[in-house]
Amino acid sequence: SQTIHQWPATLVQPVGSPLSLECTVEGTSNPNLYWYRQAAGRGLQLLFYSVGIGQISSEVPQNLSASRPQDRQFILSSKKLLLSDSGFYLCAWSLLQGRGGEQYFGPGTRLTVT
Amino acid sequence: AQKVTQAQTEISVVEKEDVTLDCVYETRDTTYYLFWYKQPPSGELVFLIRRNSFDEQNEISGRYSWNFQKSTSSFNFTITASQVVDSAVYFCALSVFSGNTPLVFGKGTRLSVIA
Repeated sequence: SQTIHQWPATLVQPVGSPLSLECTVEGTSNPNLYWYRQAAGRGLQLLFYSVGIGQISSEVPQNLSASRPQDRQFILSSKKLLLSDSGFYLCAWSLLQGRGGEQYFGPGTRLTVT
Repeated sequence: AQKVTQAQTEISVVEKEDVTLDCVYETRDTTYYLFWYKQPPSGELVFLIRRNSFDEQNEISGRYSWNFQKSTSSFNFTITASQVVDSAVYFCALSVFSGNTPLVFGKGTRLSVIA
């Protein structure tokens, strides 16, 4: 069966510090991968998605970036965090074909920028 | 472009009441999928159901039921005899087959079930 991992689970970082969040998927090959952000009490905002190694699509211009160094690894980064980067970050995966693009989500990382 | 509207931002019900969460979608594609996800207080989104555009049969799973009506572009979710454990944010989502594009999510409905 497939599983998705995210770490860390929680993170408190000062403004201006760098960020690296990691997501890995097990039990499937060549998945589509996604990063979402959810501000407190709000909906999901798609940040990035990837259909393959090195292929990243950005949905929202911001100070965040994403990379996919391996087939089942997706990394969200920032060189300098802003207060507005605080939120709940969710990674998800889907099959390239089939199931209509149904996504499966990781447990999330709660980021607080102070 | 695709769009999903969940007009109900928050709903509060007393335990054992039935509750319906509304979802209206927009797409010009004839082949598409609709989804519901549940986000409990722990934060992780849990997949509940997937329905394709060619299957308008209503579905029931325990206390959960879904009513898909293409004529009104709606995919509503009903919880019968609600329980406190049903308290969560519920998201409706849409995907189309015209490209390798991500799901389009609604803004979610926060359901509070009071004991």
